Amino acid sequence: NAGVTQTPKFRILKIGQSMTLQCTQDMNHNYMYWYRQDPGMGLKLIYYSVGAGITDKGEVPNGYNVSRSTTEDFPLRLELAAPSQTSVYFCASAEGGANNSPLHFGNGTRLTVT
Amino acid sequence: ELKVEQNPLFLSMQEGKNYTIYCNYSTTSDRLYWYRQDPGKSLESLFVLLSNGAVKQEGRLMASLDTKARLSTLHITAAVHDLSATYFCAFRNAGNMLTFGGGTRLMVKP
Repeated sequence: NAGVTQTPKFRILKIGQSMTLQCTQDMNHNYMYWYRQDPGMGLKLIYYSVGAGITDKGEVPNGYNVSRSTTEDFPLRLELAAPSQTSVYFCASAEGGANNSPLHFGNGTRLTVT
Repeated sequence: ELKVEQNPLFLSMQEGKNYTIYCNYSTTSDRLYWYRQDPGKSLESLFVLLSNGAVKQEGRLMASLDTKARLSTLHITAAVHDLSATYFCAFRNAGNMLTFGGGTRLMVKP
């Protein structure tokens, strides 16, 4: 059982480049989340989704876009990379709704923008 | 807006000692999660607390929730080196957003 899978694991971008961070889960979870974690800090919510076709902004959505065309996939798009987006990005999923199950996290994508 | 504050941010302790990590939150919530993160790794779920007065224990870790005080604690009993990690609390609001505290970096010295 793979759980939450994120690709790539590492990426270096130049300022102004764009990229998509991939996230897929095989647990049939309705809820999916994107967080970023800056060095030595906690996690900040970028975007989340409560089901296919539904997305919503979190605390720090500026500079990012998401889509949720299927239950399994929740890609995160960076259009014009900036040094401030250097961070570790975690995707997570949960059953959601009345079920208060914890989030299951992927292994993260470490992104450096230079 | 839900705010979550953990303290201490950094904790260095000797093996065999006891200590408590505190997690305060700003608005009404009764869904509290504790996670562990090892350096360079992902987050691992430790506890889910869903009601006032809830207490859960796993090995040397015990978590509790007081919704009236808006406080959760993670108590470490007779710490061992393997518990060295960063611990996060997180609260889930009605909109299913999970807000994390800043984390407590725990270092247990032999």
